[in-house]
Amino acid sequence: EIVLTQSPATLSLSPGERATLSCRASQSVSSYLAWYQQKPGQAPRLLIYDASNRATGIPARFSGSGSGTDFTLTISSLEPEDFAVYYCQQRSNWPLITFGQGTRLEIK
Amino acid sequence: EVQLVQSGAEVKKPGESLKISCKGSGYSFTSYWIGWVRQMPGKGLEWMGIIYPGDSDTRYSPSFQGQVTISADKSISTAYLQWSSLKASDTAMYYCVRAVEMATVFFDIWGQGTMVTVSS
Repeated sequence: EIVLTQSPATLSLSPGERATLSCRASQSVSSYLAWYQQKPGQAPRLLIYDASNRATGIPARFSGSGSGTDFTLTISSLEPEDFAVYYCQQRSNWPLITFGQGTRLEIK
Repeated sequence: EVQLVQSGAEVKKPGESLKISCKGSGYSFTSYWIGWVRQMPGKGLEWMGIIYPGDSDTRYSPSFQGQVTISADKSISTAYLQWSSLKASDTAMYYCVRAVEMATVFFDIWGQGTMVTVSS
C-alpha cells in the first residue's frame, strides 16, 4: 500500500501570507495526485487533480506541483475562507486509493 | 446541476443492519465510478470502495473488504453502502463520491454525507 504523509500537521499563518503544504508518497505515484479542501461541517471539495490542474471554479491562488514522491499545494495569498483542512489523495495502484492524513491550516 | 444526494442520518444499535443510499443526477450515472469514503469523528478521510454502475464492477479497500457491501441500481441512479452487523466503531460520516478517471482517479462530486451513529 502506498502511504501518503502530509506535513506539517498544522500550519498557522495570517491572511495574505503564502501557504505551502507538502504531501510525500512512500513510492512513486507519477502525477496521479489530487488535493481536497474540507471546511468544518462540510464535505471535501476537489482543488487540484493530476498534481497541477485546478478543478473547475478553483481560484488561481491555489496551485499544485510535483511528481514522483514529492508534491506541494501552494496558496499564494491566504484569504479568510482558505483556513481549513487539506488532504492529498493518490490512485497510482488503482483500484487502491489512499488519502494523506491531512494538514490543518489555521489562522495565526 | 450534477449532484449526489445521500440518505439521512441514522442511529442504530450494535448488531443491526443498515443500507444507506446515494442518488446521482445531472449526469450519466452509468458512465462514472461511484465511491464511498469514511470519516470517523475528528479524523481524516478513508477510501472504502468503488462501483461502476454500468456493469456493477466493484472494488474494495483491503481495510473494508468483507465489512461492507457496495451495490448500485442503475435504473434509479442510486448507489448503496450496507452493513449486515454494525459495530460501535462504524460510527462515522460516510460520503459518496463521483470518481473521474484521467491520469489521476479523483473525486469531483461529493454527496452531503450520511452520519451513522451506532450506540447501545
